[in-house]
Order: sequence, then structure tokens, then C-alpha cells
Amino acid sequence: SQELEQSPQSLIVQEGKNLTINCTSSKTLYGLYWYKQKYGEGLIFLMMLQKGGEEKSHEKITAKLDEKKQQSSLHITASQPSHAGIYLCGAVLMDTGRRALTFGSGTRLQVQP
Amino acid sequence: DVKVTQSSRYLVKRTGEKVFLECVQDMDHENMFWYRQDPGLGLRLIYFSYDVKMKEKGDIPEGYSVSREKKERFSLILESASTNQTSMYLCASSLRGTGREKLFFGSGTQLSVL
Repeated sequence: SQELEQSPQSLIVQEGKNLTINCTSSKTLYGLYWYKQKYGEGLIFLMMLQKGGEEKSHEKITAKLDEKKQQSSLHITASQPSHAGIYLCGAVLMDTGRRALTFGSGTRLQVQP
Repeated sequence: DVKVTQSSRYLVKRTGEKVFLECVQDMDHENMFWYRQDPGLGLRLIYFSYDVKMKEKGDIPEGYSVSREKKERFSLILESASTNQTSMYLCASSLRGTGREKLFFGSGTQLSVL
């Protein structure tokens, strides 16, 4: 099984609706990164969370890291077609002995006009 | 602006060929990484490097090697390409240090091995 589990794997929402994507780790996280990928392209950095309980927002996207630093959620308010893509969480995991990001399998988001 | 450049956007190779994927970054980053991305599996780390001439195995190094002769360049080598290496390959770089693991990605190379 993956060390970082994302849910749901895919999501189809109507434009204007809110949605949440979750990222759960089997290990404590040093840092949690959210990226967005347009189909067939590289990853674009969205946000980084490091402290338990931390919350950050950018435009209509909010990310939170829970107190125990093992789960993060990404919330999109009033979704738009421009939000469509693949969302990936990546983290530096304790006990891996390296400072390289481990990624979840991604959540594919479609927003219908 | 920060840039990670991968030499090819699409590549088609034959089974058994030696394949070189090149990646160059212009940000003077110490760390460089190679991931592959497959549907349903997310990104998996192949190799990474913390410095020139240094390399570390990631989660799936089998069938791959890397070269880092200069700080800005990190090459991924498929010694004898096989069909199960058909994938999207993503190069990334980052600064060294705790809390500085933010990765900057290239646009990716879609490799097909026939």
C-alpha cells in the first residue's frame, strides 16, 4: 500500500460547488506539499504546510494540516473549470532517512460548466 | 524565473535501446530528482542527488542509472529499455535544507518503449 493515500481518486463536480481532497499518511510528516498538474504536464506548486494545525489559503483553495501531522485536506470553494486537473500531495516522511518527497497517487478533478 | 528543462517532451524508443533523459536547472539548486508517473500510482522516486557526483537510490531504481557531472544537470539513463519503462518521467530540483524541500518540476518526458 502507498505511504500517502489520497481520496477520492477522482471527482466530478458542477461549477460553483465546493469540494475536499484528503491526503493521509501512515507516518508522521515533516512537511506536506500540495501540487496541481494539468494533464500531461509538469507539477505546479500550490502550498506547503509544516506545523500541526497550520492552515493556508490562496484564492479559493485552502489547505490544512492536522494537529498530529498525519493528514491534510485541500478544500476548493466555488469550483471553476480552471480548477480541473490532477491534485497531488507530497510529503517528507519521518523514518524514511531521506529528504525527498513521497507522493500520493493523485486526485483527478473535473469541473463541469 | 525558475526553470527546470527536460530535453524531450515525447520520445519513442525500441526495446533494448540505451536511452538518455536530460534535465537542466538554472536555479543553482543542490538537489535534483527523477520521478516516474503512472496512472493510479502517482509519482515514484527513481533516483536523486544531493550534490555533484552524488546519487542515491529512490524507491524504484532497478533498470535505471543516473549521472550528475555538473550541478545544473542530472541525467537519467535506461541501460536497456523495456516496455514496462513506458511512462511519464519528471525531473525536479530543490534547495538543500530542512523545510526547503519544495520541488520545482520540469514539463516531463513521455517515453514510449516499443
